[in-house]
Amino acid sequence: GESVGLHLPTLSVQEGDNSIINCAYSNSASDYFIWYKQESGKGPQFIIDIRSNMDKRQGQRVTVLLNKTVKHLSLQIAATQPGDSAVYFCAETIQTGANNLFFGTGTRLTVIP
Amino acid sequence: NAGVTQTPKFRVLKTGQSMTLLCAQDMNHEYMYWYRQDPGMGLRLIHYSVGEGTTAKGEVPDGYNVSRLKKQNFLLGLESAAPSQTSVYFCASSYSAGRGFGYEQYFGPGTRLTVT
Repeated sequence: GESVGLHLPTLSVQEGDNSIINCAYSNSASDYFIWYKQESGKGPQFIIDIRSNMDKRQGQRVTVLLNKTVKHLSLQIAATQPGDSAVYFCAETIQTGANNLFFGTGTRLTVIP
Repeated sequence: NAGVTQTPKFRVLKTGQSMTLLCAQDMNHEYMYWYRQDPGMGLRLIHYSVGEGTTAKGEVPDGYNVSRLKKQNFLLGLESAAPSQTSVYFCASSYSAGRGFGYEQYFGPGTRLTVT
């Protein structure tokens, strides 16, 4: 079956440093990946997505890297700010059918002022 | 544009009681989803709908029923609540399937349900 997991369940970084959150997936057929941010008491919020025909995609202060050879996904946050403290989830899907997402368990990022 | 809204925000039920959670979206999305999130875990799909009048089972459908009578609404029902259904429930919606970007799911704020 499909599974999405994370290498580090918790991550603490100093304000201003860069953060890297990792994710492993097992379904080689997945062709669309999404990173979500979830703050306490709120629903997941879309951060950035990437398709399987790409290795890298950049947004505002965030970059997602995809390594299909080892089925690995990472989220890089530049100049981490206190407002970045949250739980981050990666999710995978195959872009046919119902777009059902399979989520990992999440990584809690804590930014130290 | 309110996005995805959910009612109620909190609810406490006794074992055996029933209730319905309402999800509404104003983005004209075709697809809608119900997830549950347990402590320290990711989201798991309960049921989903690819259009008005259609529903399908997800990863953990037992004990739940859903209906999609209107495109903008997706209801999740618990006929006989059990303590194992204590969780936070999230609704999401997205555009219909396609290849490319812009098909991410948009989530509501969640409903925290406790079954005693």
